[in-house]
Parts: sequence; structure tokens; C-alpha cells
Amino acid sequence: QSALTQPASVSGSPGQSITISCTGTSSDIGGHNFVSWYQQHPGKAPKLIIYDVSSRSSGVSNRFSGSKSGNTASLTISGLQAEDEALFHCSSYTSTSTRWVFGGGTELTVL
Amino acid sequence: EVQLVESGGGLVQPGRSLRLSCAASGFKFKDYVMHWVRQVPGKGLEWVSGISWNSGYIGYADSVKGRFTISRDNAKNSLYLHMNSLRVEDTAFYYCSKDLCSGGTCHYFDSWGQGTLVTVSS
Repeated sequence: QSALTQPASVSGSPGQSITISCTGTSSDIGGHNFVSWYQQHPGKAPKLIIYDVSSRSSGVSNRFSGSKSGNTASLTISGLQAEDEALFHCSSYTSTSTRWVFGGGTELTVL
Repeated sequence: EVQLVESGGGLVQPGRSLRLSCAASGFKFKDYVMHWVRQVPGKGLEWVSGISWNSGYIGYADSVKGRFTISRDNAKNSLYLHMNSLRVEDTAFYYCSKDLCSGGTCHYFDSWGQGTLVTVSS
């Protein structure tokens, strides 16, 4: 049972936009702006794509954007491309003893 | 180029111990907070442990506290994870990860190794 809640899967057609949600609590997402997103292709290590809720890592396409409202963070991918197909993870700093928590991961399928 | 190479994984029986290593290169290792993050294949990530540049801060997830010990050797550019009293539920890929910011943590896992698989089974 992951600390943050993400949908198990989302899908979209090329060119469309999709949004992945990540729901936490006031101890993590709701209480801090230390929210990040990671993209993981099959057999590869995760890659940091969004940090500080909405800042893109160097080299990451501006088709990727992040936002937050209350205890929920969101990752939006616009103009879907086949190469976007991957497992996406959200993460947040938490004021609990564990310090950093993740979601269960969302599988993105580009139809 | 940042490189993180984990080693030491393998098959181990419940209750036994294992030591993971992470060899770092391509950046000033001594300036960065380092982390261990694990992942059951195909599932979500779980932060396991983190250590500051001078080992002044050390933190553990509740799930491993008291059983795992993180350490680092800045002279050897190496990070370690000593895992004792291993359980079946510790089975996962273990990744070594570098914090995004130097000097202290900014709460993000910037670079990752390819991971080493730990399988706990009788």
C-alpha cells in the first residue's frame, strides 16, 4: 500500500492530452511544495521529469507540466507521443518519520 | 556524466544478511545527499534510506528501521546498505540515487543507477 494514491493506468491517443493524479495528505502533498514526478521506461531506471510541483528538469519537453491543488498533485502530458508510454511515479517530501513517499505508479499507454 | 553502479544483490534466505554497494562517478560525491530507493518489479517506488554528505543526517523508512544500515565512504565515492534480518517483503530492485542539490537535500532523486535485484526466499 503506497502512501500516495495514483490511478493504476491511463491511456490516450497520439496528439491527445492526459492527466495523472496523485493524492496524498496534509503531511505530504498538502503541506509542502516538494512534489516531483518520475518517468520510467521498461527495464530502465526512473528519470526525474518534474520537481517543485511544476519545474521541468533540464531537457524535458514542455509537453510535460505539473500542478497541485490541496492534497492532490497532477501531471499533464499534452500532444501525446508513442515515446511517452511509460510508468509514471509521483513523490513528495513528508513531515512524518519516513521523510519521502511515492505513489504506486501509473502505467501510461499510448493507443 | 553521472554514473551510479549498484552491486551486491542476489538470492538470500529469510533472516539472513546482505550488503549492497553503489560506486559513484562523474560528480563530487562528497557534496551530495545519497539515497537508496527500492521497487518491486513493475510496481511503485519506496524510499528506503538517505544519508547526508557527512553522515550527520541518516534516515530510514519505517519498514526497514532497525534492520538496515546506510553508510558512505567519501574517499572511495561509495554508498552502502547493510541489510539484516531480511524478509520476503524486502524482495525488490534496489536503486542508488543522488539528490538533486549539493550541500543538502532538496527532496528530489536526480540520478539513478540501474538497480540490483535482491530476492529473499527460502
